[in-house]
Amino acid sequence: QVQLQESGPGLVKASETLSLTCTVSGGSVSTSSYYWTWLRQPPGKGLEWLGYIYYRGTTNYNPSLKSRVTISIDTSKNQFSLRLSSVTAADTAVYYCAGGTVYSSSWYPDWGQGARVAISS
Amino acid sequence: DIVMTQSPDSLAVSLGERATINCRSSQSVLYSPNNKEYLAWYQQRPGQPPALLIYWASTRESGVPDRFRGSGSGTDFTLTISGVQAEDVATYYCQQYYTNPPTFGQGTRVEFK
Repeated sequence: QVQLQESGPGLVKASETLSLTCTVSGGSVSTSSYYWTWLRQPPGKGLEWLGYIYYRGTTNYNPSLKSRVTISIDTSKNQFSLRLSSVTAADTAVYYCAGGTVYSSSWYPDWGQGARVAISS
Repeated sequence: DIVMTQSPDSLAVSLGERATINCRSSQSVLYSPNNKEYLAWYQQRPGQPPALLIYWASTRESGVPDRFRGSGSGTDFTLTISGVQAEDVATYYCQQYYTNPPTFGQGTRVEFK
């Protein structure tokens, strides 16, 4: 198992871009064993899958957000990142980074503690 | 997208009782070539991230107590907690990973009577 920690601003203005970083420890983001994933959970609601990146740079995004989401990887820092553009109040949520398994379509054994992000008007 | 629907939304149990949570998918999550059900269960305690309990519908994650049991096939699945303990108060989610995007149920809150 690996440890993951999200970081980034807790408050973002509407119409701007939300940026979060996930730092991985106890393992390498360059491994072929994980699909590095972002999910979110609006207050009092369920979980929404945003997308993943594989160590070779392959990405896959939720079609409902595809035009606004970008996930990137920085192997030199052992991190992967989320950018969500043109945010609105509906993007207020706790954002989680997670490590999937060797399967691109997967369950998630490893999670960060979550980063709470609020969108202000 | 596959829609995952859990029932009930909340469940009140006494210590030591059995809790049963149901999850229905809008289409089958059985992949016939490997005969595997692409379904997972998670537990989320207040203020915590989700924790994986079960994958492949019935395989317990390492370290998960054996009072947690996953069952079902096709479109209907069940998470059973045999002998609920105090630390089991949480919200439980099912998740399908059969198709993209992976989707989750709305959650079932388990609390004490």
